[in-house]
Amino acid sequence: AQTVTQSQPEMSVQEAETVTLSCTYDTSENNYYLFWYKQPPSRQMILVIRQEAYKQQNATENRFSVNFQKAAKSFSLKISDSQLGDTAMYFCAFMKTSSGTYKYIFGTGTRLKVLA
Amino acid sequence: GAGVSQTPSNKVTEKGKYVELRCDPISGHTALYWYRQSLGQGPEFLIYFQGTGAADDSGLPNDRFFAVRPEGSVSTLKIQRTERGDSAVYLCASSLTGPYTGELFFGEGSRLTVL
Repeated sequence: AQTVTQSQPEMSVQEAETVTLSCTYDTSENNYYLFWYKQPPSRQMILVIRQEAYKQQNATENRFSVNFQKAAKSFSLKISDSQLGDTAMYFCAFMKTSSGTYKYIFGTGTRLKVLA
Repeated sequence: GAGVSQTPSNKVTEKGKYVELRCDPISGHTALYWYRQSLGQGPEFLIYFQGTGAADDSGLPNDRFFAVRPEGSVSTLKIQRTERGDSAVYLCASSLTGPYTGELFFGEGSRLTVL
């Protein structure tokens, strides 16, 4: 069974600084997707960034980028130029794409607080 | 509507009662997911529908939990004989089928409190 581990329950960062959130996962699959989702205090989760396992190039979305290390099964999220609106829970998620089913497994989350 | 809609947003019930939670996904999304999220925890997978059928229900904790999606659109999560441990936020999400999108669109959740 796949598992996703986020070892940092809480983190804080000064506004405009850079922060990295960690995620590791365990799978025997070769084809899968990895995601970072953000859940602000209002509760609705939104996608931040995704990475296809077959792509070696790390995904980037504006201030958000990932460091994907497939052999190490590591998928960290880097937030540059942190903004107050980045304060939220961040969840790492795994989805395998074999056998035609698309089940997402989430980690326990990291609570990020951006300080003014 | 443009997004995933969940009703009710809040439900308070007594132990032993029956509850239904409704999810209306984004139009055209064939995949629908139910997750349960306890305070301070990540979403816990319950069940996933592809069209009308349950493609994976391995996350349903016991036979008190049941979900349907009879016409491949709206889904209802049904909980019988509720227990205090069922208290959580129940999240629904939908997506287009296939790995090329991969993005889940979440509703705001239904907060269930069992007294």
